[in-house]
Amino acid sequence: AQSVTQLGSHVSVSEGALVLLRCNYSSSVPPYLFWYVQYPNQGLQLLLKYTSAATLVKGINGFEAEFKKSETSFHLTKPSAHMSDAAEYFCALSNFGNEKLTFGTGTRLTIIP
Amino acid sequence: NAGVTQTPKFRVLKTGQSMTLLCAQDMNHEYMYWYRQDPGMGLRLIHYSVGEGTTAKGEVPDGYNVSRLKKQNFLLGLESAAPSQTSVYFCASSRTGTGTPTQYFGPGTRLTVL
Repeated sequence: AQSVTQLGSHVSVSEGALVLLRCNYSSSVPPYLFWYVQYPNQGLQLLLKYTSAATLVKGINGFEAEFKKSETSFHLTKPSAHMSDAAEYFCALSNFGNEKLTFGTGTRLTIIP
Repeated sequence: NAGVTQTPKFRVLKTGQSMTLLCAQDMNHEYMYWYRQDPGMGLRLIHYSVGEGTTAKGEVPDGYNVSRLKKQNFLLGLESAAPSQTSVYFCASSRTGTGTPTQYFGPGTRLTVL
């Protein structure tokens, strides 16, 4: 069975500070990993995805994530937080030939002015 | 392109009532999915479809039925609603093929069962 764990259901950072959202996964086969963002009262939007090419993945809105197999992690970072980054972020996992996504429980990011 | 649309946006039901949620996509995607989102639990897959006329159970299928009579539509039915089905429901779609197709999500339907 595969699973995704997001450490910290709520994260608060000051505007301009580093954003770090943590995601660890468990999978018996090579994973594909995703970060989605959900703004209030909206659906989910893809931020970035890892597909076994480059381990450092760049996404939209200045976000990036690094796949670390040895740590089974796929943490999301952004160097400088902006007020518009306030949202809920979900890490998700799938495998080759299995398009179903397994989601983590989400991390709500609050930006402090 | 409208992408993925969901109807209705909000609904309040009484216990035991039935309803159908409609999902439509205009991207010619083969795969469609229904999820429910509950606080602290992320998104959980209810049912999914890999093509017109085919459906399969996801992680939490009990109390729900689905149909995919047309490629662009995926219906989620609740035959006898229960308070435990109060949730936000999301539909998603993706293309088929190799690699990692991105799932595109609708705006959600907020359902309250009293």
